Order: sequence, then C-alpha cells, then structure tokens
Amino acid sequence: EPEVTQTPSHQVTQMGQEVILRCVPISNHLYFYWYRQILGQKVEFLVSFYNNEISEKSEIFDDQFSVERPDGSNFTLKIRSTKLEDSAMYFCASSEQGVGNSPLHFGNGTRLTVT
Amino acid sequence: DAKTTQPPSMDCAEGRAANLPCNHSTISGNEYVYWYRQIHSQGPQYIIHGLKNNETNEMASLIITEDRKSSTLILPHATLRDTAVYYCIVMFSGGYNKLIFGAGTRLAVHP
Repeated sequence: EPEVTQTPSHQVTQMGQEVILRCVPISNHLYFYWYRQILGQKVEFLVSFYNNEISEKSEIFDDQFSVERPDGSNFTLKIRSTKLEDSAMYFCASSEQGVGNSPLHFGNGTRLTVT
Repeated sequence: DAKTTQPPSMDCAEGRAANLPCNHSTISGNEYVYWYRQIHSQGPQYIIHGLKNNETNEMASLIITEDRKSSTLILPHATLRDTAVYYCIVMFSGGYNKLIFGAGTRLAVHP
C-alpha cells in the first residue's frame, strides 16, 4: 500500500539554525499538510497546501515557517531560525481529494530536537 | 466544525469488543463523523467515517445514533496492537478543510 514517507526520522539542530523537513506524499494525492505534536500534547495543524499554494495556515505557522513543493514528488517544511519551542514531532500528510472528501494519510514523522 | 466529547481513557481486554463513545450534540446536518487513531507517537491513521448510516470496514464499525448527536466506534476483537489514542472528529465534507485533533480517548488493550 502506498505511504507517505518522511526524512529524516530524527533531526537535531542548534537554536537559530535553519532546518528543512522532507516529505514524499502519495503520488496521486493533490492536498498536502504539515502537523506537529509537542511531546505529550495534541496533534496541531500547521498548514495545508493545494495547487502550489498555501490554502490555510494556523497561528503557529508564522514567518519562520515556509513550505514548498520543489518538484512533482517532494513537499518540504522549512523553519528559518529554530527556537527551543520548535522541538516536536512533525507529521506530513496527504489526501487525494482533500480531508473532507478522502482520508488523510500521515507519515511517521520527523522528531526535531532543538538544543 | 462541531465540538466533540470523548472519555479521556478506556480499558479493554484482548479479544473483546472495544466500544469507544463520542458525543457531538451540536453536529449539523452535513457534517461527517471521522475517526482516526495514533499509535504511540506514530502518524495518525484514518479508521472510518460516516454521515448518518452505520459504516463498517476491515478495521472497525461506526454506529451513529438516529439523532446524530453521538456515535460509537467499535473494534470487534481488540488486540494489543489496537492500544492507541482514538480521535473522533466532526467536520464538513469538502477539499478545503483541515483536520483538528482534540485530546481523544486513550484505549489500553490488556491481555
């Protein structure tokens, strides 16, 4: 069964550094998402992306964050200058027809540790 | 999207049915009920969804009351691998939407 893949599985970075988290969504999916989960807390929506543009973003997704679909297969989340509070699991997800019409498929996440 | 209420935790014996309730008393006529689960910090996993009819797939059954104000997710023969946090989410259909996770129900399946 096709799946969403995320790399790396664990990223350690120093405060102030830039990180790029990578995702390969399922190939025929058109809607893409990033979520994060701080240890012990809820899964939080960050951003949704469709037709090469952001369709919605949360308050968390400030100017430090950006997303890109640089080619036909990858979907990336960049954090420009990481802060300690950015330490979390970051989940990429994709959907064929949007979350209200078809299931969301999640990757197994990248654990980001900011020191 | 309508708010949902789930018990914070439940227990179930292996091999027995796990019945996870969800209240959504403010649900509107065209909002669907979705269930996802998260097994120990893995990515959330879709289970099932429905509008008003009961639904069944290879993972679970979804029973929605006639007034649609509550629903129950049934795992017919729970296994240890079903230990997870289960999320009941109510939302409108449509592509431009986002899944918002609450605290869910932590289901512990024990031998």
